[in-house]
Amino acid sequence: GNSVTQMEGPVTLSEEAFLTINCTYTATGYPSLFWYVQYPGEGLQLLLKATKADDKGSNKGFEATYRKETTSFHLEKGSVQVSDSAVYFCALSQGGSEKLVFGKGTKLTVNP
Amino acid sequence: EADIYQTPRYLVIGTGKKITLECSQTMGHDKMYWYQQDPGMELHLIHYSYGVNSTEKGDLSSESTVSRIRTEHFPLTLESARPSHTSQYLCASSEYGQGVRNQPQHFGDGTRLSIL
Repeated sequence: GNSVTQMEGPVTLSEEAFLTINCTYTATGYPSLFWYVQYPGEGLQLLLKATKADDKGSNKGFEATYRKETTSFHLEKGSVQVSDSAVYFCALSQGGSEKLVFGKGTKLTVNP
Repeated sequence: EADIYQTPRYLVIGTGKKITLECSQTMGHDKMYWYQQDPGMELHLIHYSYGVNSTEKGDLSSESTVSRIRTEHFPLTLESARPSHTSQYLCASSEYGQGVRNQPQHFGDGTRLSIL
């Protein structure tokens, strides 16, 4: 079946550091890939998405590229801020069901 | 700003009570979902709906039930709450139809439920 594996946290960085959160997936065919972010006390917000191979999703300085050859969708940001502290979820969906398969989440803490 | 609303945000209640968690969306989305989020952050799909009068069990077995009488409303009910039901419950919705496959889900802020 479909699955998503993302790097375990927690991840702690200093402000302006470079961020990478790894995400790999297992799926048949061509899933759509997503990164969601959950700030403390809130629900999930879509951060970025990519729907086909080699697509790059980007938003708020975050980027992720859909790599079919490595079945990966790693999240990157060049310079993190304290306000980026949150839990990040990688997810995929496939077919017409729109059911999401989530990774287990990675908690990021950015210190001033 | 949220177009999907969950109430209450927090609920602390005793064992054996009947509970209904409300979820409403104003986006006209056909598909709606309920997730249970455990303290370790992992999300589990417990119910979903393709539209009015459609309800399906999710990947994680749950003692809760749902109904979908109106497009915009997808309440979740626990007939007799137990401490094991303590969790955060997140509602989501997404668009569905020709040409909009794999659309992202939009989430509410969640209900944090504690059963004493």
